[in-house]
Amino acid sequence: DAGVIQSPRHEVTEMGQEVTLRCKPISGHNSLFWYRQTMMRGLELLIYFNNNVPIDDSGMPEDRFSAKMPNASFSTLKIQPSEPRDSAVYFCASSTGGSSTDTQYFGPGTRLTVL
Amino acid sequence: AQSVTQLGSHVSVSEGALVLLRCNYSSSVPPYLFWYVQYPNQGLQLLLKYTTGATLVKGINGFEAEFKKSETSFHLTKPSAHMSDAAEYFCAVSGSFGNEKLTFGTGTRLTIIP
Repeated sequence: DAGVIQSPRHEVTEMGQEVTLRCKPISGHNSLFWYRQTMMRGLELLIYFNNNVPIDDSGMPEDRFSAKMPNASFSTLKIQPSEPRDSAVYFCASSTGGSSTDTQYFGPGTRLTVL
Repeated sequence: AQSVTQLGSHVSVSEGALVLLRCNYSSSVPPYLFWYVQYPNQGLQLLLKYTTGATLVKGINGFEAEFKKSETSFHLTKPSAHMSDAAEYFCAVSGSFGNEKLTFGTGTRLTIIP
């Protein structure tokens, strides 16, 4: 079975450009999570969805970040405009959903570099 | 609010030696506790989790962890380290009552000395 799929795997962009990261969760999973990992701040939850509805977006750093989940099989994380401090590895994860005991399955991540 | 503290950002052990990675938690509700492993350039993978019941939890790759409420700890152990265990390990906590949010520790990088 395919795991969580993220694209692109690497993204290099210049400051001020729009960046869109994509995620396809595991089929049948109802919850989707976006994380950011940096050396300075570690692994941070940005936002999570359950049944395509945003449940907790308290980790979204500022208005430059937005996330959508138009259907059960696709989500995007957009940064506009991007800044050098947004450079990080962004992970998407999914779970069967609805319980705090659920295992989260992580994608391989997107390494974002903003010059 | 919930949090976990991982003691030691780097741990080195010899191949065949005991692995002990420490995690202490803080939670106002009964916690659910997780250990995840991250190999280089990969996403995180669940090693094991404690929800309810038996406090000694066995996971994949020979790892286990024991939930000790009196010590607010959930340390990860493996009797004999293997070279393939070299990775970064994250402890995480989630709360009860259907909140799926995981709070991760800062991670411990495990190095295995041949």
